[in-house]
Amino acid sequence: NAGVTQTPKFQVLKTGQSMTLQCAQDMNHEYMSWYRQDPGMGLRLIHYSVGAGITDQGEVPNGYNVSRSTTEDFPLRLLSAAPSQTSVYFCASSYLTSGTRYNEQFFGPGTRLTVL
Amino acid sequence: KNQVEQSPQSLIILEGKNCTLQCNYTVSPFSNLRWYKQDTGRGPVSLTIMTFSENTKSNGRYTATLDADTKQSSLHITASQLSDSASYICVVSANSGGYQKVTFGIGTKLQVIP
Repeated sequence: NAGVTQTPKFQVLKTGQSMTLQCAQDMNHEYMSWYRQDPGMGLRLIHYSVGAGITDQGEVPNGYNVSRSTTEDFPLRLLSAAPSQTSVYFCASSYLTSGTRYNEQFFGPGTRLTVL
Repeated sequence: KNQVEQSPQSLIILEGKNCTLQCNYTVSPFSNLRWYKQDTGRGPVSLTIMTFSENTKSNGRYTATLDADTKQSSLHITASQLSDSASYICVVSANSGGYQKVTFGIGTKLQVIP
């Protein structure tokens, strides 16, 4: 099992450029999510998906798009990068929680993005 | 608003010593509390998970406690090792319409020195 993989590991963009951060998992998890981690702040949820074809917004969705065409893949798109999107991005996956039942989230290694 | 506060923000200890990290939360309705370890340049990795009815959980040299009445948790690290140098993140989940809404603390950055 590779777990959760993310590419690229590092990326530098110019303001206004677009790009896609890739995320894949091989654990057959229904739930996948994207977070950003900024200095002095906890991880914040950008978008999440509870299964193929189903996505929803998290806490900070503006400037980001997602899609979930397969169980395995959950790409994050920046349509027009801004300096405020400079951050470290983490993808995570887990089995779907229901009520009080807990399922551990597995995180990818992260993508460090700098927007100039 | 759901909040998770951790203290101290950073900590330096000598190898072999013990330490305790604190987490206070205002999250409801409470579902579970997790502690994660995040090494520099890597994603968080789960250490422990506790639900409302559990007040202590151990994972090797890591022991987490939970007081649901005072909404406090602690992570105790025994006989620290250099490899314990990392950020430790407290994460609290609330039940929200059948799913869990997750709030992350900022983390405590621990440095273990020889």
